[in-house]
Amino acid sequence: GAVVSQHPSWVICKSGTSVKIECRSLDFQATTMFWYRQFPKQSLMLMATSNEGSKATYEQGVEKDKFLINHASLTLSTLTVTSAHPEDSSFYICSATDLLYEQYFGPGTRLTVT
Amino acid sequence: AQKVTQAQTEISVVEKEDVTLDCVYETRDTTYYLFWYKQPPSGELVFLIRRNSFDEQNEISGRYSWNFQKSTSSFNFTITASQVVDSAVYFCALSETHGSSNTGKLIFGQGTTLQVKP
Repeated sequence: GAVVSQHPSWVICKSGTSVKIECRSLDFQATTMFWYRQFPKQSLMLMATSNEGSKATYEQGVEKDKFLINHASLTLSTLTVTSAHPEDSSFYICSATDLLYEQYFGPGTRLTVT
Repeated sequence: AQKVTQAQTEISVVEKEDVTLDCVYETRDTTYYLFWYKQPPSGELVFLIRRNSFDEQNEISGRYSWNFQKSTSSFNFTITASQVVDSAVYFCALSETHGSSNTGKLIFGQGTTLQVKP
């Protein structure tokens, strides 16, 4: 089946720094990628929808200047958490859809901001 | 607005018991997709099933079965003869559609934590 990877799988950063998370579709071209955030013992909440070559669409309440999303190619989307704070510590999961709108999830990235 | 409700926050059963996880959804779309995912402690989502809104046939896959009832907007998941390895968080999700195509955007329920004790 199709595979979506995320890098890094976990990251610890200091408050005030920025961290970039990559999401790659390894064996298919992703027309759309999605970024979800999951706080401990909570559900997944969609942050933004990312389409290759266009600006991401953010969900209500998600700061686009804080969570920068770039979808530079059909196989790569990146999420940059800028000026991270401890409250940004979370599990970030991406998903990618192929041309048939089949959806595949990445393994997630655990971010800890100290 | 679309919404998915999993009223059971936590369920604890003893191995070999059957267990049903409830899922109720709300949508105005006539075409939509429903999903169940398993999330073990590692965090990676494991796809279990996708069901099209036009297909109300129940499905069985090994020890897993799903009961989809549009009349009650429910898509319940039953594990028969539960095992310790079934312990995980289970999410029900609803997709948005564009025309008859699944857009990929998912609305997740709150999740049900299943603990199967030996």
